[in-house]
Amino acid sequence: AQSVTQLDSHVSVSEGTPVLLRCNYSSSYSPSLFWYVQHPNKGLQLLLKYTSAATLVKGINGFEAEFKKSETSFHLTKPSAHMSDAAEYFCVVTLPGPDSNYQLIWGAGTKLIIKP
Amino acid sequence: NAGVTQTPKFQVLKTGQSMTLQCAQDMNHNSMYWYRQDPGMGLRLIYYSASEGTTDKGEVPNGYNVSRLNKREFSLRLESAAPSQTSVYFCASTGTSLNYGYTFGSGTRLTVV
Repeated sequence: AQSVTQLDSHVSVSEGTPVLLRCNYSSSYSPSLFWYVQHPNKGLQLLLKYTSAATLVKGINGFEAEFKKSETSFHLTKPSAHMSDAAEYFCVVTLPGPDSNYQLIWGAGTKLIIKP
Repeated sequence: NAGVTQTPKFQVLKTGQSMTLQCAQDMNHNSMYWYRQDPGMGLRLIYYSASEGTTDKGEVPNGYNVSRLNKREFSLRLESAAPSQTSVYFCASTGTSLNYGYTFGSGTRLTVV
């Protein structure tokens, strides 16, 4: 069965220090993987995606993620945190469905807290 | 601006009342989805529509019905609301390739008392 595990429910870093949000997945298929961000009381925004091209994926706002098949991981990183990065981050994996339609399997989310 | 529009943004219902959440997209996307978001549980799929005229159950369909009215619109109906349906509901759409990811609406915060 396909699943997504975000290893930390909360991550707290100081402004200007690196960010690491961890995600492991389980999939019988070659997955597509996404990171979404949700700022407080806002909708969801696509941060970046891996779809079987380059394993190091760059997204918006300086974030990037590396797909590591041997470790079944897709961790999200940023070299230097900014106060505006405070949000909840969701790791997502695809699940093939009927009619070639894909469903998304969502991680439980990681809340990123930025300390001044 | 192109995107997914959800209405209403907020709603309070009494137990047993019914209501319909509306969703429309103007990106000519084939597939549309309804999710609910509860604290610590990420997003869970309620129903989806792969194309106009088709709908399928997701992970948590009980207590809900949907209608894909046309290519643009996908509504979610609660026939008899229960407190367990208190949640934030998101509508999303995607084109023929999931490589583009989903586009989400801004959400409906529903409280059932």
